[in-house]
Amino acid sequence: QSLLTQPASVSGSPGQSITISCTRAGNDVDGFKYVAWYQQYPGKVPKLLSFDVSHRPSGLPNRFSASKSGNTASLTISGLQPDDEANYFCSSYTTFNTVLFGGGTQVTVL
Amino acid sequence: QVQLQESGPGVVRPSQTLSLTCRVSGGAISGTSFSWNWIRQSPGKGLEWLGHIAYTGTTGTTSYSPALKSRLNISPDVYYNDRFSLTLKSMSDADTAVYYCARGELAAIGVWGQGIPVSVS
Repeated sequence: QSLLTQPASVSGSPGQSITISCTRAGNDVDGFKYVAWYQQYPGKVPKLLSFDVSHRPSGLPNRFSASKSGNTASLTISGLQPDDEANYFCSSYTTFNTVLFGGGTQVTVL
Repeated sequence: QVQLQESGPGVVRPSQTLSLTCRVSGGAISGTSFSWNWIRQSPGKGLEWLGHIAYTGTTGTTSYSPALKSRLNISPDVYYNDRFSLTLKSMSDADTAVYYCARGELAAIGVWGQGIPVSVS
């Protein structure tokens, strides 16, 4: 079984760029081909930010960009805004046809 | 536009079985290439994927979280092609959470219900 590890928190000042990592650990090497990212405000439903590693849903600002290298996927938020303060989760689809979520990263705008 | 809505009890007694239903507005669940998922979130915690029915055409295949597989069943509604259900046996305090149904494609869960809070008490 695999695990997805995210930092508990990341912070930045308005206008800065921040990057959230999502690192895969475990034996399911091929189970990191499909990675997605979500934004969630407290008490709200998660919102899909990217899928298939780096694709953005239509209408999403290009300030959010995602990528992957080896065992680590990343979400970069450019031009950080106060409204970006939220919890961010990664997910991957495993070769066992299951979905894994990372533990989440709280983004704070200073 | 597809919308999902969870329904079921808000309180379940310890050791009892939770039954939830998800109604999909704007489309059927079979005959699609989507997966129909159940996901939960315990108070102050992260997202936990529970399981799904994934369709290829009219053929649906279920997959479950290994941690819950022995207690969990996800199934399409026998009579209505716009609903699917979750049953989770032997509920305990650890199962207190907001339960979401959601539509996905592989890792991308793009359409979520509003969530239904379930308390074990």
